[in-house]
Amino acid sequence: EPEVTQTPSHQVTQMGQEVILRCVPISNHLYFYWYRQILGQKVEFLVSFYNNEISEKSEIFDDQFSVERPDGSNFTLKIRSTKLEDSAMYFCASGGRSGNTIYFGEGSWLTVV
Amino acid sequence: AQKITQTQPGMFVQEKEAVTLDCTYDTSDPSYGLFWYKQPSSGEMIFLIYQGSYDQQNATEGRYSLNFQKARKSANLVISASQLGDSAMYFCAMREGGTSGTYKYIFGTGTRLKVLA
Repeated sequence: EPEVTQTPSHQVTQMGQEVILRCVPISNHLYFYWYRQILGQKVEFLVSFYNNEISEKSEIFDDQFSVERPDGSNFTLKIRSTKLEDSAMYFCASGGRSGNTIYFGEGSWLTVV
Repeated sequence: AQKITQTQPGMFVQEKEAVTLDCTYDTSDPSYGLFWYKQPSSGEMIFLIYQGSYDQQNATEGRYSLNFQKARKSANLVISASQLGDSAMYFCAMREGGTSGTYKYIFGTGTRLKVLA
């Protein structure tokens, strides 16, 4: 069964460092998303991406964040200068044209120290 | 205002019994979708069930069924014959149309279910 894959599964980084989280969405999907979940809290929308551009973003997705689909298969989330409060699980998700569901990857745990 | 409300932070159920997890939603979009996801302690998000706003029948997927009451704006998840492996966090989510034609998915705060042997 096709699945969304994310790397790394866990990353520890120093405050102020840049981090890139990688995702390979399901191959025939058109819509891509990043969500985050701070430990013990709900899943929060960060950004959606369609047709090689951002289509929606939340207030969390400030200038420190960027997304890219560099090669038609990978979908990356970059955090330019990490802060302690960026520590969270980051989920990538992808969805087909129908929008009947989105499928999540297993998440990337980011710990900023 | 909360768009997705899950009022039960935690629930217990005896193994083999049925359990209902509550979810209410708020939207002015006539076309929307409702979802339930399971998050076990390992952290991944597992899709369980989907209900479209125009669907006449309640959705069912194996032991999962969605009790969709449109007028009350509720989309409760019913798990029949609970198993120990059902112990997890359960999130209700809603899909709305986004401003640029893509969809936004909004999640509730979750309900932690513990199945007792």
